[in-house]
Amino acid sequence: DTAVSQTPKYLVTQMGNDKSIKCEQNLGHDTMYWYKQDSKKFLKIMFSYNNKELIINETVPNRFSPKSPDKAHLNLHINSLELGDSAVYFCASSQRQDNSPLHFGNGTRLTVT
Amino acid sequence: SQKIEQNSEALNIQEGKTATLTCNYTNYSPAYLQWYRQDPGRGPVFLLLIRENEKEKRKERLKVTFDTTLKQSLFHITASQPADSATYLCAYTGRRALTFGSGTRLQVQP
Repeated sequence: DTAVSQTPKYLVTQMGNDKSIKCEQNLGHDTMYWYKQDSKKFLKIMFSYNNKELIINETVPNRFSPKSPDKAHLNLHINSLELGDSAVYFCASSQRQDNSPLHFGNGTRLTVT
Repeated sequence: SQKIEQNSEALNIQEGKTATLTCNYTNYSPAYLQWYRQDPGRGPVFLLLIRENEKEKRKERLKVTFDTTLKQSLFHITASQPADSATYLCAYTGRRALTFGSGTRLQVQP
């Protein structure tokens, strides 16, 4: 059973398009996250939701909009895609909004051409 | 601001030896440090958590130390195996979310 699953695994699209990445966790965790990993493999927090409530919104362009329909899902919608958005996006969850370890999905590799 | 730094150069060791990876932080001691393993094309996987007041934590062949004087955490893999080859990330809880170092790639040669 996959604990944190995200789809699609690969996403290739052109500049200016709008795309979504979906994430689901079946661990019963309260907190979910989106991280971005760039070409230098640096993982950077983008958003965090706790019980469907946005608690962290780092310096991310407002073209990125997370949506949490329920505690088990956190989707990421990106408008007007740019070349610089190309990266691997990881969804993660943790039991609580504290020092609980994170459980990651296997990432979505987004390529904008 | 707090920075967390790992050696960006890959570490190459022979099978059977002990691998030691370093994580340094610049300012205040984080209350917790976590270590993760990441394989190519996969998400990071949690390995160990160590608290500020703990000197050492072990799990099977893995050992983590936390030295608040040196502002450093060391991650050791004893009796290393080729299957241990991966990128290892350290992280601390900053500003309500886990903040990661850039990771160190470990390559264990058979």
